[in-house]
Amino acid sequence: EDQVTQSPEALRLQEGESSSLNCSYTVSGLRGLFWYRQDPGKGPEFLFTLYSAGEEKEKERLKATLTKKESFLHITAPKPEDSATYLCAVQVMKLVFGQGTRLTINP
Amino acid sequence: DTGVSQDPRHKITKRGQNVTFRCDPISEHNRLYWYRQTLGQGPEFLTYFQNEAQLEKSRLLSDRFSAERPKGSFSTLEIQRTEQGDSAMYLCASSLGGMHYGYTFGSGTRLTVV
Repeated sequence: EDQVTQSPEALRLQEGESSSLNCSYTVSGLRGLFWYRQDPGKGPEFLFTLYSAGEEKEKERLKATLTKKESFLHITAPKPEDSATYLCAVQVMKLVFGQGTRLTINP
Repeated sequence: DTGVSQDPRHKITKRGQNVTFRCDPISEHNRLYWYRQTLGQGPEFLTYFQNEAQLEKSRLLSDRFSAERPKGSFSTLEIQRTEQGDSAMYLCASSLGGMHYGYTFGSGTRLTVV
């Protein structure tokens, strides 16, 4: 069965304190790995798609990387507005999501 | 185009009642997906359409749930004889299909069954 596991479940950082979120997956026939950001009461907002091991994508303070078994979302010098739940999903014929990492950045 | 629209945003219903939600995807997107999300969990796949054809349904989609996408445009998700366990955020997403396109999600419909 296709499975996505994110860790940690919750992470609290000080403003400017860099860290990484992990997404490990076991799927057959990976077509892509997606990262989304979700604010409370809203739908997920697309951040990145990664397709092959070794690929990296960057957007502002976020960088996503992919290996054959996991993906990392690195956040560099975060700001309070980066506080959100970050969701990882793998695409087989559909998106299969992890449970998310709830990130809080304290000013 | 303002993205994926869902209506209503919130719905409170009594147990045993039927409810229907609507999703209007981005107009040029041929694929439409329904997901369900409970508090603290990631979205769970329910079903998806390519144009008007319903191509896959999750085991989560009991026979009380039915989805339609007439004419390949908007979609409706109906839940019959609602139960308290149906309380969740119901998310709709659309995409162009193919592996190079991300999904665009709507803001969801939050259902509370009392």
